Amino acid sequence: AQSVTQPDIHITVSEGASLELRCNYSYGATPYLFWYVQSPGQGLQLLLKYFSGDTLVQGIKGFEAEFKRSQSSFNLRKPSVHWSDAAEYFCAVGVEEYGNKLVFGAGTILRVKS
Amino acid sequence: DGGITQSPKYLFRKEGQNVTLSCEQNLNHDAMYWYRQDPGQGLRLIYYSQIVNDFQKGDIAEGYSVSREKKESFPLTVTSAQKNPTAFYLCASSRTGINEKLFFGSGTQLSVL
Repeated sequence: AQSVTQPDIHITVSEGASLELRCNYSYGATPYLFWYVQSPGQGLQLLLKYFSGDTLVQGIKGFEAEFKRSQSSFNLRKPSVHWSDAAEYFCAVGVEEYGNKLVFGAGTILRVKS
Repeated sequence: DGGITQSPKYLFRKEGQNVTLSCEQNLNHDAMYWYRQDPGQGLRLIYYSQIVNDFQKGDIAEGYSVSREKKESFPLTVTSAQKNPTAFYLCASSRTGINEKLFFGSGTQLSVL
């Protein structure tokens, strides 16, 4: 079955430290890949997306993500975390063969300690 | 400002009652979506619509119904058949296609009295 896995439910990092949030998917076809961020009680905001081309993509707020086909992964990174980055992060995957819809991972809650 | 508006922000349902969640967008988007969010489960697709007067079931459509009579509006009705309706409901829209960015509303928290 098609799925999107975010292995880490919670992650805590110190302010100024680097961050990596993991995302793996199980689709045979080349997917469209997204990372969204959600503040408590709010909707989601797009951080970045990957469709094709350069496997390292840059997004808003200093985030980047790398697509690794061999590992079926699309991990999100940030070199230096700010306290305002505390939120929940969702990886999402879309494959045209499976219809016009995205499948979201369960999310990773990021806590930033000062 | 263009955007997507959900109302109400909080909603309470009594046993056996149907309730309707509103979603309106002024982005001129063709596609609209309803997601349900439960803690630790991410977002699960309830229904989606790619064009007026047409919609498709998502992964958890049982106990829900929708309509798409206007391009701007995509209301979701939570029926009495949905036995566990307490959740955070998010509406989203996009121009068309899964390669497009989703724009989300700020959500409706539905609780059972």
